[in-house]
Amino acid sequence: SQQGEEDPQALSIQEGENATMNCSYKTSINNLQWYRQNSGRGLVHLILIRSNEREKHSGRLRVTLDTSKKSSSLLITASRAADTASYFCATGASGNTGKLIFGQGTTLQVKP
Amino acid sequence: DGGITQSPKYLFRKEGQNVTLSCEQNLNHDAMYWYRQDPGQGLRLIYYSQIVNDFQKGDIAEGYSVSREKKESFPLTVTSAQKNPTAFYLCASMGLPNSPLHFGNGTRLTVT
Repeated sequence: SQQGEEDPQALSIQEGENATMNCSYKTSINNLQWYRQNSGRGLVHLILIRSNEREKHSGRLRVTLDTSKKSSSLLITASRAADTASYFCATGASGNTGKLIFGQGTTLQVKP
Repeated sequence: DGGITQSPKYLFRKEGQNVTLSCEQNLNHDAMYWYRQDPGQGLRLIYYSQIVNDFQKGDIAEGYSVSREKKESFPLTVTSAQKNPTAFYLCASMGLPNSPLHFGNGTRLTVT
C-alpha cells in the first residue's frame, strides 16, 4: 500500500520561481525523506526529517513536517532548469521495520 | 567509488521465461531493497533484506523471488508467474536503520 501521496502530480514553473510540493501519509512514522529522480535514473536522497523535527534546510531546499496533519512539504527556492526532475517523499514507519514506502511523486518542470 | 551496481541496464525476455536481475553493493550496508516502478508511478516495494540469509516480502512480492547469500549481493528473479513483469526495477541499500537509501541506476525489463 502506498503510504505517501504527493500533490500536485505535476508542476511547471519558470526559472527563478519557487516550487512547493506536498506529501501526506497515513500512519505513524519515524522519519520522512525526500528523493529526486532524473528520467530513467535511480533516486537520489535529498533530505531526511525525523518525526520530532518540524523544519529542515539544505541549500535551496526547505522541508517542513506536521505530524498532527500527517503531512510534509518540500520547497525549492530560486529554481533552475537543472531542478527539472520527479520528486518523491518516502516514509519510514515507527519502529525498526526497515521498510520505506514511497509516494507517487511530483514531476517538476522548470522552464529556462 | 562506493555504490550500487545494477546490471544489465536493459533486459529483454520472452514471456514464460524466468529472468534474474543483478544488484551488487560495496557500501558495506546490511539492508538491501528491491522496488518496481511503472511509467509515471511511484516505487512499490517487492522484497527487502535487513541481514544476510534473511528477507521479507514487500507489498508486491507475488511472482518474484530473492536470495541474500552474501552481504554485497541481492539478486531478484522475475518468474513466469509475474503477470505483468515489464517495468523499471530499482535496487537500493541502507546503512544504519532509518537512514537514507542509496539507489542503483535501475534495470529496465521488457517482456514480450
